[in-house]
Amino acid sequence: SQTIHQWPATLVQPVGSPLSLECTVEGTSNPNLYWYRQAAGRGLQLLFYSVGIGQISSEVPQNLSASRPQDRQFILSSKKLLLSDSGFYLCAWSRPLPGQGTDTQYFGPGTRLTVL
Amino acid sequence: AQSVTQPDIHITVSEGASLELRCNYSYGATPYLFWYVQSPGQGLQLLLKYFSGDTLVQGIKGFEAEFKRSQSSFNLRKPSVHWSDAAEYFCAVGATGGGNKLTFGTGTQLKVEL
Repeated sequence: SQTIHQWPATLVQPVGSPLSLECTVEGTSNPNLYWYRQAAGRGLQLLFYSVGIGQISSEVPQNLSASRPQDRQFILSSKKLLLSDSGFYLCAWSRPLPGQGTDTQYFGPGTRLTVL
Repeated sequence: AQSVTQPDIHITVSEGASLELRCNYSYGATPYLFWYVQSPGQGLQLLLKYFSGDTLVQGIKGFEAEFKRSQSSFNLRKPSVHWSDAAEYFCAVGATGGGNKLTFGTGTQLKVEL
C-alpha cells in the first residue's frame, strides 16, 4: 500500500530564516505530487504541483519554491520566511494521469509552520 | 474556471441527528467531485467521490452524497451523526488544465453536541 510522510510535524521559525519541508511517498512510482497551504478559515490553496522529477508548476506567485530531486520526494523551500508564510502545509500525491484526467489525491499528515 | 461553494461555515448537530452538508460547484463539463474530512491538526481523508454512473455515492464512515446536475450540487449526508464525526469537511471538484488538480471549497466545520 501507499504511504505519504511529511516532516517535520511542527516548526517554529523566525522571520527571515530559511525553510525546508520534506514530503516522501512510498509504494508507488512516478506519482503526481502537490503542496498546499491551509490558512485558518480559508480552505486549501494549491501552491505547487509536479508530474515528474524536476518538473514543477507554480500556482501562486509567492515567497516559496518547490523541488523534486527524486521520483517520490517533494521539497518546499524558502530563502527568507515572512510572517504571512505561517500556516498548515499539506503534501498530497495522486497516480499519474495523462492529459486532463482526474483522480483522487491522498494527503499527508501536514506540517504546522509558525513564523515569529 | 471551476469553483466550489460550501455555504455553511459552521454547522452544529446533536448526536444521533441527521446531517446534510451543502456543496455547489461550477464546472463546464461533467464534474469529478470529492468529499474529504479533516480532523484537527491532521491531513485530509477521502470520504467518497463521484466520477460517473449512479448519482448516489456511498462512502466510508456511513456517509453518502448525491450528485444533482440540475442543481450543480453534491451534498453530503449521514442519517445519524456520531460525536466522532466532529471535524472539518471539504468538497472539491477536479480542475481543468492537466496535472490532476483539485479545486477545494472553504470547508464546513461540524460540531456535534452530546
